[in-house]
Amino acid sequence: AQKITQTQPGMFVQEKEAVTLDCTYDTSDPSYGLFWYKQPSSGEMIFLIYQGSYDQQNATEGRYSLNFQKARKSANLVISASQLGDSAMYFCAMSDPPPGDYKLSFGAGTTVTVRA
Amino acid sequence: GAGVSQTPSNKVTEKGKYVELRCDPISGHTALYWYRQSLGQGPEFLIYFQGTGAADDSGLPNDRFFAVRPEGSVSTLKIQRTERGDSAVYLCASSLSFSGGTVDTQYFGPGTRLTVL
Repeated sequence: AQKITQTQPGMFVQEKEAVTLDCTYDTSDPSYGLFWYKQPSSGEMIFLIYQGSYDQQNATEGRYSLNFQKARKSANLVISASQLGDSAMYFCAMSDPPPGDYKLSFGAGTTVTVRA
Repeated sequence: GAGVSQTPSNKVTEKGKYVELRCDPISGHTALYWYRQSLGQGPEFLIYFQGTGAADDSGLPNDRFFAVRPEGSVSTLKIQRTERGDSAVYLCASSLSFSGGTVDTQYFGPGTRLTVL
């Protein structure tokens, strides 16, 4: 399995401010995918954003953007204009190299609490 | 449309008992995955189905764990002789159709919380 490291166990952010969640990964394969999922207290994992290793531009999806720094093996998630509903656990994940790239390896997660 | 559903949402059992956990994927999704999430950790891969066959069961921890998907839709994860260490949330995910080299987003269900006493 691939190795994903999320060093921030918990973070607090003020409503309407931006927050950056750190994710570093370890792989020697040139082909991989990076994913971020949100897990609210209900337990369901919600897909947020994807970045392919060959993608030249950083991925963006609404208020979510992925700061992809390939040389540093870093894939940080930026949430802009935080909302109370953003309070949840956030997981970074990476796909195994082909042909096993259906398999995701997850980090330990970061808990985000948005304050009013 | 309906997402991935899992039943039961909670299951409490005694050590040594047999349990079955059910997953109903999104309609039309041919790929199905099971993951296990222990407290304070991220999900860990268990098994992947493409259609009816288990394409990769390398994540199953031992032979007490088995999963089936007989008609290529609903899947059942079966655990025999449960142990306290099996306590976790079991997550199921589905995706449209995995083709190597393309992005195939996995959509997760709410999970089944299994507690073995």
